[in-house]
Amino acid sequence: GAVVSQHPSRVICKSGTSVKIECRSLDFQATTMFWYRQFPKQSLMLMATSNEGSKATYEQGVEKDKFLINHASLTLSTLTVTSAHPEDSSFYICSARDKPLQETQYFGPGTRLLVL
Amino acid sequence: KQEVTQIPAALSVPEGENLVLNCSFTDSAIYNLQWFRQDPGKGLTSLLLIQSSQREQTSGRLNASLDKSSGRSTLYIAASQPGDSATYLCAVPNYGGSQGNLIFGKGTKLSVKP
Repeated sequence: GAVVSQHPSRVICKSGTSVKIECRSLDFQATTMFWYRQFPKQSLMLMATSNEGSKATYEQGVEKDKFLINHASLTLSTLTVTSAHPEDSSFYICSARDKPLQETQYFGPGTRLLVL
Repeated sequence: KQEVTQIPAALSVPEGENLVLNCSFTDSAIYNLQWFRQDPGKGLTSLLLIQSSQREQTSGRLNASLDKSSGRSTLYIAASQPGDSATYLCAVPNYGGSQGNLIFGKGTKLSVKP
C-alpha cells in the first residue's frame, strides 16, 4: 500500500525558534496533502490543505504566517512552525491523496512537537 | 457543518469479549466513512473504509456497518485481544470545506485486559 513518511518523528525546541516538519509520499504522487493537528485527548483537526504548486488553503483560526506550508513537489510538503510557543506543542499529522475525493487518504506517522 | 461523535469515549473489556464501538454523524450526505486505529503517540492505521453505497465491510475480526439515513456507523470487534488496545477513530470526508479532508470523531479508547 501507499506509504507516507514524516520527519522528524519527535522534536523539542525552545520558544521562539522555528521548526520544519516534512511529509513525503514514498511510492505515489500526492496532488493534495493535508496537515492535521491533534491535542491530547482531542480529535485530529485540519489545519490546512496543501496542493502541489499552489498556495495552501488554511482553516479558520490557523495563522498562515505562523504555519508556513510549502508543497514544492508531488511527493513533498513541508510545514514550518515559525516562532514556536509552548501552546504550539501538539501532534502534527499529514495525509496524502493521489486519487479523486472518494478514495482513501494515507496518513504519516505523525510528529510530536514540544516547545519549551 | 458536519460533526462526528463517538461513544463511548473509553471502553475497558476482558480479553475474548465481543464489542461494539459507535460513531454518528450529523450530515448523512457522506461519500464514505473510515475507521482508523491510533496507537499512543503514533499515526493512523486505516482499518476499514465503507462506501456510501455499502452496508458493511469486514476485515478479519473487524466488521463495520453503515446506516447513512440514521447517520450511524458501528465497528464490531470479535474475540477481542490485548493487542486491540488502542484508540479507534471514525472519519468522514468533508466536501463542504477544503478539498476532501476528513472530519474525525474524538475516538474511543479501548483497553482489552488479559
